[in-house]
Amino acid sequence: AQTVTQSQPEMSVQEAETVTLSCTYDTSESDYYLFWYKQPPSRQMILVIRQEAYKQQNATENRFSVNFQKAAKSFSLKISDSQLGDAAMYFCAYYGGATNKLIFGTGTLLAVQP
Amino acid sequence: NAGVTQTPKFQVLKTGQSMTLQCAQDMNHNSMYWYRQDPGMGLRLIYYSASEGTTDKGEVPNGYNVSRLNKREFSLRLESAAPSQTSVYFCASRENIAYEQYFGPGTRLTVT
Repeated sequence: AQTVTQSQPEMSVQEAETVTLSCTYDTSESDYYLFWYKQPPSRQMILVIRQEAYKQQNATENRFSVNFQKAAKSFSLKISDSQLGDAAMYFCAYYGGATNKLIFGTGTLLAVQP
Repeated sequence: NAGVTQTPKFQVLKTGQSMTLQCAQDMNHNSMYWYRQDPGMGLRLIYYSASEGTTDKGEVPNGYNVSRLNKREFSLRLESAAPSQTSVYFCASRENIAYEQYFGPGTRLTVT
């Protein structure tokens, strides 16, 4: 069965600095997708970035980028120029086409210090 | 375009009471999902529906039932609520091609 592991329950970063959140996963599938979701105090789940496993190029969305290491089964999220509004819980998630299910990690709570 | 909507936003039940959480999406998505979120455990899949007329169990289905009423609506029913079902419940729908899931605002349920 597929699993997703986020080993950092909490992280902290200074405003304007860069922070990297870690995620590893385990799967035997070759075709899958990886996502990072943000959950602010409002509770709404917001998609931050996605990565298709067949693409070698790392995805980027403005200040958010990923380091996708397929052989190592690692999918980290880098937030550049951190802003106060980035403070939230971040979830890494795996989707495999064979199962039609999204599997979440346990989350990393990011604090941004002014 | 409202996306995914859920009702109610908050609910308090006594042990043994029943209730139905409603979910609707207006994005013409085929697949819909129900998750529960508990502290330290991320989101866990309760039930999902790959298409209208089909439903399947997820990771934690015990104590729940679902109905895919039509393509838009997917409801979650607690027949006899227990304190262990105190949680935040999210409904989601998935794009038909890109596999991204879109979430509703969640329902905070407390069972006393």
